[in-house]
Amino acid sequence: GENVEQHPSTLSVQEGDSAVIKCTYSDSASNYFPWYKQELGKRPQLIIDIRSNVGEKKDQRIAVTLNKTAKHFSLHITETQPEDSAVYFCAVLHSGTYKYIFGTGTRLKVLA
Amino acid sequence: GAGVSQSPSNKVTEKGKDVELRCDPISGHTALYWYRQRLGQGLEFLIYFQGNSAPDKSGLPSDRFSAERTGESVSTLTIQRTQQEDSAVYLCASSSQWLARETQYFGPGTRLLVL
Repeated sequence: GENVEQHPSTLSVQEGDSAVIKCTYSDSASNYFPWYKQELGKRPQLIIDIRSNVGEKKDQRIAVTLNKTAKHFSLHITETQPEDSAVYFCAVLHSGTYKYIFGTGTRLKVLA
Repeated sequence: GAGVSQSPSNKVTEKGKDVELRCDPISGHTALYWYRQRLGQGLEFLIYFQGNSAPDKSGLPSDRFSAERTGESVSTLTIQRTQQEDSAVYLCASSSQWLARETQYFGPGTRLLVL
């Protein structure tokens, strides 16, 4: 079955620096790759997503890149701010089954 | 429009009792998902529905857990004879199955505490 690995598990950066989180997946039939941000005590919220026919997508300080050949995708946050501190989850949607597989999460801490 | 809603928001129960958790998905969303999230942990897949059928129940931890969905709308997750290890936040999510509308939206969760 599909397997999703997410790294690193924790990440501390200085305010203003960039943060990068990477996920790898195993099933080449996967075609949709969302990223979620979860603040303490809150529900996961979608922050950006990418589909398999696109290599990169950007939304202000957040970007996602996808390498279908290598089966990995990454979240990039530039000019980090303290409010970016949260747990970030990647996910993979398997084409045809509509089942999401989530990564194990990355706890990002932005130090002021 | 209205988002995914769940009830109750919090539930405290005694070990051995049954609990029923409810999820109201976004109107028109045919896919509905249940996840469990223990404190400080990731999202553990439990079950998902396509319409009223459940193609994948592989995540249900034991036969004490069951879920149903009627009318392609409300879903209930039932935990029988609760154990302390069942304490967690139970998250429901829904999505459309139309191409380019697969985004999954989460409800606020039900925080279950088994004493």
